[in-house]
Amino acid sequence: DAGITQSPRHKVTETGTPVTLRCHQTENHRYMYWYRQDPGHGLRLIHYSYGVKDTDKGEVSDGYSVSRSKTEDFLLTLESATSSQTSVYFCAISDSGQGEGGYGYTFGSGTRLTVV
Amino acid sequence: AQKVTQAQTEISVVEKEDVTLDCVYETRDTTYYLFWYKQPPSGELVFLIRRNSFDEQNEISGRYSWNFQKSTSSFNFTITASQVVDSAVYFCAPLNNDMRFGAGTRLTVKP
Repeated sequence: DAGITQSPRHKVTETGTPVTLRCHQTENHRYMYWYRQDPGHGLRLIHYSYGVKDTDKGEVSDGYSVSRSKTEDFLLTLESATSSQTSVYFCAISDSGQGEGGYGYTFGSGTRLTVV
Repeated sequence: AQKVTQAQTEISVVEKEDVTLDCVYETRDTTYYLFWYKQPPSGELVFLIRRNSFDEQNEISGRYSWNFQKSTSSFNFTITASQVVDSAVYFCAPLNNDMRFGAGTRLTVKP
């Protein structure tokens, strides 16, 4: 059991189209996060959620929106995809905002998004 | 927000060599946590270690060891007797309200 799954795993989309990435967890963790990974930048936080309907911006939130209507699902939406949003997107979960659970964040396998 | 610098972009060693990956962080918080993650070529992120800011004891786990020095804001990671399977990108990540990552160090271990 993965505990956290991301879908789709790969996606190619055209500039200007909306895209939604899904993160699903079965751990009942309160906190969920979306990161993007680009060469030379490591992982950068896009948005995070600290509960159902409670979300906040990270360091690179422009062009992205999120929603969390259920504990288990955290959606990341690119309203109008641009080539600069070509990246690998990782979702993460945590049972505590400060990693009190002992293992920090658990990450999904990633979604490789290409915007052409 | 915290910031982390991993000055070594790429390191290449020959199997059985020891290698140290550097991590320097900045934070204004007095309570925080520090993590190391490994990202092998398959792409997943693997948790390696968590350390809180009040615990400055060095830690050893098999061939891995970590040196945390709060006075210099460093949390360095050493692999002893490296193996080809250690080839990966390694990330240092401080955490307070959320986790921020360094740019990573790509380690290549040659046979």
